[in-house]
Amino acid sequence: DAGVIQSPRHEVTEMGQEVTLRCKPISGHNSLFWYRQTMMRGLELLIYFNNNVPIDDSGMPEDRFSAKMPNASFSTLKIQPSEPRDSAVYFCARTYIQPGTGSNTEAFFGQGTRLTVV
Amino acid sequence: AQSVTQLDSQVPVFEEAPVELRCNYSSSVSVYLFWYVQYPNQGLQLLLKYLSGSTLVKGINGFEAEFNKSQTSFHLRKPSVHISDTAEYFCAVTPTSYDKVIFGPGTSLSVIP
Repeated sequence: DAGVIQSPRHEVTEMGQEVTLRCKPISGHNSLFWYRQTMMRGLELLIYFNNNVPIDDSGMPEDRFSAKMPNASFSTLKIQPSEPRDSAVYFCARTYIQPGTGSNTEAFFGQGTRLTVV
Repeated sequence: AQSVTQLDSQVPVFEEAPVELRCNYSSSVSVYLFWYVQYPNQGLQLLLKYLSGSTLVKGINGFEAEFNKSQTSFHLRKPSVHISDTAEYFCAVTPTSYDKVIFGPGTSLSVIP
């Protein structure tokens, strides 16, 4: 356990349904990332937050995807409506940004949510 | 912009043999360098990192990597692999003035008994 709890671990849903993935990072780490992993495309950065504010969402594939971070201990990634091509493992990761440098020195990953859209 | 290349998508190696997983990066600014390992059905975990100082970095599980600035490489090595080292290995970079982590495509290491 790297201090990042993701739920659910597995999700199977029908095409067109709304899916919400959850992430609970340990507070005190000020950046949070959502990644998607597939065999074809590898690890893709979808969006990242710094101090709960979305900084870069250029990786979010479509308007069907949205992410929120209402506080330092919780984030969600929502897909509405879901499609079969969204099937993947979604990872949440937290980092600590060093004051003064603006850079992180390590990312801690959750165990991922395996999403299957049928 | 930064990019990471891992030339070998799959590396089979016999148990107790040495292994090297290659990583090259491209960046116009200084970067920090990382290797992560992903075991089946798990998230990624840090093997080792280079921030500054000695270019030879030692990590967990007997792995080490050497930063070569002139060749923009950060190859991962282990002198003798175990079955338990079978996993996916990712090289990653972070610009020192930014917080975005860029991952390579990964190398699948298979250790053969």
